[in-house]
Formats: sequence, C-alpha cells, structure tokens
Amino acid sequence: EDKVVQSPLSLVVHEGDTVTLNCSYEVTNFRSLLWYKQEKKAPTFLFMLTSSGIEKKSGRLSSILDKKELFSILNITATQTGDSAVYLCAAINQAGTALIFGKGTTLSVSS
Amino acid sequence: KAGVTQTPRYLIKTRGQQVTLSCSPISGHRSVSWYQQTPGQGLQFLFEYFSETQRNKGNFPGRFSGRQFSNSRSEMNVSTLELGDSALYLCASSLGPGQQETQYFGPGTRLLVL
Repeated sequence: EDKVVQSPLSLVVHEGDTVTLNCSYEVTNFRSLLWYKQEKKAPTFLFMLTSSGIEKKSGRLSSILDKKELFSILNITATQTGDSAVYLCAAINQAGTALIFGKGTTLSVSS
Repeated sequence: KAGVTQTPRYLIKTRGQQVTLSCSPISGHRSVSWYQQTPGQGLQFLFEYFSETQRNKGNFPGRFSGRQFSNSRSEMNVSTLELGDSALYLCASSLGPGQQETQYFGPGTRLLVL
C-alpha cells in the first residue's frame, strides 16, 4: 500500500533556530514529491522534487530528495514566527492517479 | 486572477442529513480534485474530475460523491452524514488531469456534524 510518513509530528523551536522536517515515501511508480505549507486554510505550494536529486531552494527554505532511500527533507534556516504552520508532503505516482499525503509536521516558532 | 473559491466556508449539519459543497476553479483550470482533512487521518484524496467525468477516486464510501459541470465548477455531496465526516473539505484545481504538481487549493469548507 502506498504511504507517506512525516516526522516529527510536531516541533517547537526558538526564532533563529534551524529545523529539518522529514518525509519518507513508498509509492508505486513514483513520479514526484511535493511540499506544502498550511497556516490556517489552503495549503500553499513550496517545492516539487523528483528523482533527479536536484536541491530546491527558496530563501531560507530548501529541500532535497534521496531517491535511493526514498525520503525527502525540508530545511528551514533562521526560523521566524511566520514559519509557524503545518508542513505537508505528498507523493504522486506516474499516472497522476494517486496523491498520497503525510499527516504533516506542526512547526511552532516562539519569539 | 481569482483563486479557487469554495462555498460555503462553514457548515453545521446533524447526523443523517446530506450536504453539498461547491468549488469554482481558477479560470482556465479544467481539473478539480477534492480532499478531506481531519486531525486523525490528515489530508486524504476523495476524487478528481476532468471534463465532467470522474477520473480518480480515493478510498471513501459511496456516501461521498461528486460531479463537475461544463464550466468546470464542481460539487461534492455527502449523504447520510456521520459524526466522523466532520472535517475540512478542500478542493484544488489544475489545468488538466493528473497535474497535481500545479494544483492550487481553495480555502476549504469546514463541516461540523452534530
């Protein structure tokens, strides 16, 4: 059965800390993995990663996928209170018929 | 460009009732997917519609159904509501089927079943 597992489920850090969120996946005929940030309502897209192994970066956020070990990490450096959110990862199969989400990591950044 | 809109935003129903939720995709987007989000199960895929046809369906009972209209707007219906159906229902639109990498989510409809 296809599955995506995120860890930790929750995390509390201080402003300025660096955090690493983990996502492991088992998806038949894997195509890509997506990271989203969800603050209150709609998840907003952060990164798309494929088996190419290319790291993606956007400001203080970066992400990479290890196709051999079947996991991805999302790094956030110099965290800010605005980074407090639920971070979701989701894996997609080749046909685009399955989008499997992990249960998310709730990040709380205190000032 | 206007984003994905969902109506209503909040809804309270009682067990046994049915409910219909609506989703209007981004202009030009022809594929609409629906998701259920609960604290226990997280975000789960319900179904995807494209060209008024259901393209994919997640592992949900038949009480959950949907449809898509010629203007790409979509509705989902839940019949015989159960307490466990209380959740945030999200829809997402994309240009075409299976293009989840480029989908945009709406703000969701929060359903409370009493």
